[in-house]
Amino acid sequence: KAGVTQTPRYLIKTRGQQVTLSCSPISGHRSVSWYQQTPGQGLQFLFEYFSETQRNKGNFPGRFSGRQFSNSRSEMNVSTLELGDSALYLCASSFFGSLSSGNTIYFGEGSWLTVV
Amino acid sequence: QKEVEQNSGPLSVPEGAIASLNCTYSDRVSQSFFWYRQYSGKSPELIMSIYSNGDKEDGRFTAQLNKASQYVSLLIRDSQPSDSATYLCAVKSSGGSNYKLTFGKGTLLTVNP
Repeated sequence: KAGVTQTPRYLIKTRGQQVTLSCSPISGHRSVSWYQQTPGQGLQFLFEYFSETQRNKGNFPGRFSGRQFSNSRSEMNVSTLELGDSALYLCASSFFGSLSSGNTIYFGEGSWLTVV
Repeated sequence: QKEVEQNSGPLSVPEGAIASLNCTYSDRVSQSFFWYRQYSGKSPELIMSIYSNGDKEDGRFTAQLNKASQYVSLLIRDSQPSDSATYLCAVKSSGGSNYKLTFGKGTLLTVNP
């Protein structure tokens, strides 16, 4: 069973550019959530999609956006990149949209973004 | 602001010892608690989940939850050098079918051979 796949794994962007990251969840999983991880702030929740609908959103500016397609694949976009956006971006998938007993979220390997 | 707090460490224990990792949370209505292990340069992997007060054991790992004290811990018995990693405590926010996990900043554990 394939895991959560994120692309690209590594990328370097210039301040002011935009970036799109992609996530393919585990087959059959309908929930995809995105997290940003930095040494200073740790893992921070960005947003969660379930059946193409954004159901929850963290405290990030509007430059961070996402979407989910009918096949559950998800993309997140960051516009007008800032140096502080340099981070590991993690995608996680789960079968259900809620973390009930026995429901587990699985993380992808992440996309390392460096903004210069 | 819902917070999850952990000692950043590093926590250093000798091989074979018990490693004790602690976590406190501020949202009293939180119901689901998770421990993730993250090796350097890798993504987090779930090692334990706990939903009710008391202890839950899985192999060398024991999670302990005390909702009254808003405290959750992870004990690793017979620690091995391969257990050296950052351990992240995560708490599910309340809110029906919507969810998000709030993570602590992690405790770095080093197991010395």
